[in-house]
Amino acid sequence: LAKTTQPISMDSYEGQEVNITCSHNNIATNDYITWYQQFPSQGPRFIIQGYKTKVTNEVASLFIPADRKSSTLSLPRVSLSDTAVYYCLVGAYNQGGKLIFGQGTELSVKP
Amino acid sequence: EAGVTQFPSHSVIEKGQTVTLRCDPISGHDNLYWYRRVMGKEIKFLLHFVKESKQDESGMPNNRFLAERTGGTYSTLKVQPAELEDSGVYFCASSRPGVGALYEQYFGPGTRLTVT
Repeated sequence: LAKTTQPISMDSYEGQEVNITCSHNNIATNDYITWYQQFPSQGPRFIIQGYKTKVTNEVASLFIPADRKSSTLSLPRVSLSDTAVYYCLVGAYNQGGKLIFGQGTELSVKP
Repeated sequence: EAGVTQFPSHSVIEKGQTVTLRCDPISGHDNLYWYRRVMGKEIKFLLHFVKESKQDESGMPNNRFLAERTGGTYSTLKVQPAELEDSGVYFCASSRPGVGALYEQYFGPGTRLTVT
């Protein structure tokens, strides 16, 4: 499974756009990139998943360059409630179900 | 639909005692997973059920941990006897049948286990 590297922490202010980049140099052809969000005292929550180029949903956008060795989670106009830990995970659909979590990025949104 | 539920939310036991954690997955989800986070560490996979069968238990730390999923519905995770290093938050997750590794998993709120 591809190892991921992301910043340990980030600070932002309300209303700003936040971009969290994840490196995954050893990503395999079958691997997808998935991001989870975790609030304190809660379990992780799926945000978005992609394979290449750009994916957008009501919560975030995911940008994946052509070489797929990195990805960027973009949160538009963050609010205080976006303060959480964000995890980047990489793996393939056929690898048996388990998620491999890294340390995540602790995002702190200030007023 | 109701989410993944876990019971209890918090358990404090003494070293050497037994604790049983319960997870109720989302109805219809054949896949059920257990994970845990011990203090200061990353969330780690423990095991994966498909219905009542153990698909992958490669993450179970030792034989003091026993997971069951009778009837393919709820699951229990028993720790016997508990040790200090078992303290942490135990998460359960479930996902729809027939999907692969990284399709969306729905997590419960976790059970915080404290062994004193």
